[in-house]
Amino acid sequence: QVQLVQSGAEVKKPGASVKVSCKASGYTFTSYAMHWVRQAPGQRLEWMGWINAGNGNTKYSQKFQGRVTITRDTSASTAYMELSSLRSEDTAVYYCVRGGYCSGGSCFAEYFQHWGQGTLVTVSS
Amino acid sequence: DIQMTQSPSSLSASVGDRVTITCRASQGISNSLAWYQQKPGKAPKLLLYAASRLESGVPSRFSGSGSGTDYTLTISSLQPEDFATYYCQQYYSTPQTFGQGTKLEIK
Repeated sequence: QVQLVQSGAEVKKPGASVKVSCKASGYTFTSYAMHWVRQAPGQRLEWMGWINAGNGNTKYSQKFQGRVTITRDTSASTAYMELSSLRSEDTAVYYCVRGGYCSGGSCFAEYFQHWGQGTLVTVSS
Repeated sequence: DIQMTQSPSSLSASVGDRVTITCRASQGISNSLAWYQQKPGKAPKLLLYAASRLESGVPSRFSGSGSGTDYTLTISSLQPEDFATYYCQQYYSTPQTFGQGTKLEIK
């Protein structure tokens, strides 16, 4: 069965960076996209970006452009999300989510069937 | 970006009630709409996709309908485990966007 296991909670100071990992199992990692979605306390879910785990192509939300970097290590079936220049408003639970099937360099847009357990990132001085 | 607006934002109901939650997109999304259920401290769980297709394992009391810009999630007979927050999501275009959520509480 598909499983996405994320790294543990982090506490960071304003201005620092955080890198969250997401280890995938139960499917061919390079055949699907991996998305990152966050949820600040009491707020709606917010899409941050995604990576084609096959060729490494990425696309980011304009809101996070320049601050977020999504990468992957195919040998470890692991995706990473790094967010820099952290501020208090970045305090949130960050989820990795498996996206659509990728073929020929493109990934199908799809609903989110498989979610990681979430990683709480707290930004506080 | 496509804006997703849910109504109501919160709803009080009793076990056995029929409830309907509405989601409106700021432009047509061709049924590329999913519904999720989220309980406190947990990741969202997919309930329906393509507006009306039930995810495997989800009880049949959940149903979805709609087209164009307007969609609904209906729970035919509320069970105690259904009290949670529900989100709609469009995956028609990037960035994929979510509604603000509907918190379903016990009356």
